[in-house]
Amino acid sequence: QSALTQPPSASGSPGQSVTISCTGTSSDVGGYNYVSWYQQHPGKAPKLIIYEVSQRPSGVPDRFSGSKSGNTASLTVSGLQAEDEADYYCGSYAGNNNLFGGGTKLTVL
Amino acid sequence: QVQLVESGGGLVKPGGSLRLSCAASGFTFSDYYMSWIRQAPGKGPEWVSHISRSGSTIYYADSVKGRFTISRDNAEKSLYLQMNSLRAADTAVYYCARYYGQPDYWGQGTLVTVSS
Repeated sequence: QSALTQPPSASGSPGQSVTISCTGTSSDVGGYNYVSWYQQHPGKAPKLIIYEVSQRPSGVPDRFSGSKSGNTASLTVSGLQAEDEADYYCGSYAGNNNLFGGGTKLTVL
Repeated sequence: QVQLVESGGGLVKPGGSLRLSCAASGFTFSDYYMSWIRQAPGKGPEWVSHISRSGSTIYYADSVKGRFTISRDNAEKSLYLQMNSLRAADTAVYYCARYYGQPDYWGQGTLVTVSS
């Protein structure tokens, strides 16, 4: 199975909102509600920020939100802050395995 | 708090073997599936394998099937990955992750470099 498709880059100014898409198929993103999003700063491990499409783990700011429509999931970061600059990866259950996206580099201008 | 600490990475020649370990703490290890996930330099993560709570159910990515073996020791709260017939394409940071529908907590990773 192929990796999920994400735009390579996204950007926004402090205080603005930005949305990152993640496109899969009916065998992964569209078929299950186990879509997750991870934030990764340079040299660090990925950190879960959204699970099960739209749920936030404890401690993750409510500026981060997730949604899904058909085979495409989205992560929205509202009220951008400098510390949001990082790589973002989506992930999806795909029936006995898991797929990840290629990543989106979010730049805060 | 959940902690996952990987070890065992290093430089190995093509065709060689390595065994990775992951020590877990801060949660009931035997209650969770566990995963190995790798990330090549500059690339997105790639799921490698996961193992059920008892170790009776195991899945592998096609890219490692027949070469890698995942196992766990619930008494020792440890996860393992035996990697044989290593190739240059296996070069990556290998992460151990707790798995509950999706990987939630990840360790800091251990670097595996396959090069002659």
